[in-house]
Amino acid sequence: GDSVTQMEGPVTLSEEAFLTINCTYTATGYPSLFWYVQYPGEGLQLLLKATKADDKGSNKGFEATYRKETTSFHLEKGSVQVSDSAVYFCALSVPVSTGNQFYFGTGTSLTVIP
Amino acid sequence: DSGVTQTPKHLITATGQRVTLRCSPRSGDLSVYWYQQSLDQGLQFLIQYYNGEERAKGNILERFSAQQFPDLHSELNLSSLELGDSALYFCASSDHNGTGTFEAFFGQGTRLTVV
Repeated sequence: GDSVTQMEGPVTLSEEAFLTINCTYTATGYPSLFWYVQYPGEGLQLLLKATKADDKGSNKGFEATYRKETTSFHLEKGSVQVSDSAVYFCALSVPVSTGNQFYFGTGTSLTVIP
Repeated sequence: DSGVTQTPKHLITATGQRVTLRCSPRSGDLSVYWYQQSLDQGLQFLIQYYNGEERAKGNILERFSAQQFPDLHSELNLSSLELGDSALYFCASSDHNGTGTFEAFFGQGTRLTVV
């Protein structure tokens, strides 16, 4: 079945370090791919998305490219800040006539230290 | 603001009790999803409704039930509560009627504490 596998955490980085969080997926159809972020005490917020192969999603300095050949959607940021400390979830959705079906990864906790 | 509203924000109740969590989806969204997030754990999918009909079920206990009403708001009912049911419960919505959306929009969650 459809699924998402993302890098285990927790991840601890120093401020201004480069970030990569790996995400791979399995899907039978043509999914859309997402990264969500959850700050402490809050709900999940959409960080970026890509709806077809080779699309690049970007937001707040974060980027991820939809790679169909490697079934991956790795999250990257060139220089992290303390304010980026949060839990990051990779997800995919498969459009179905009876409603989108979503599959989430287990989440990767990121802590950025000054 | 995602446009998804969950009430209440916090709930403290005793074991054996029954509670109802409420979710109002974004205006026009037809799908509502319920998730449970326990401490240090990922999201556990519970159930999905689409335009009033149950569409998918995840790891939802028999003590839990949900429904989606004609105005598209949804309620999650948790009964015979146990200490292990203490968690954050999230509602999300998607499938905007007319424009089509691929992403899910999450509410702020209801933090349930069973004592």
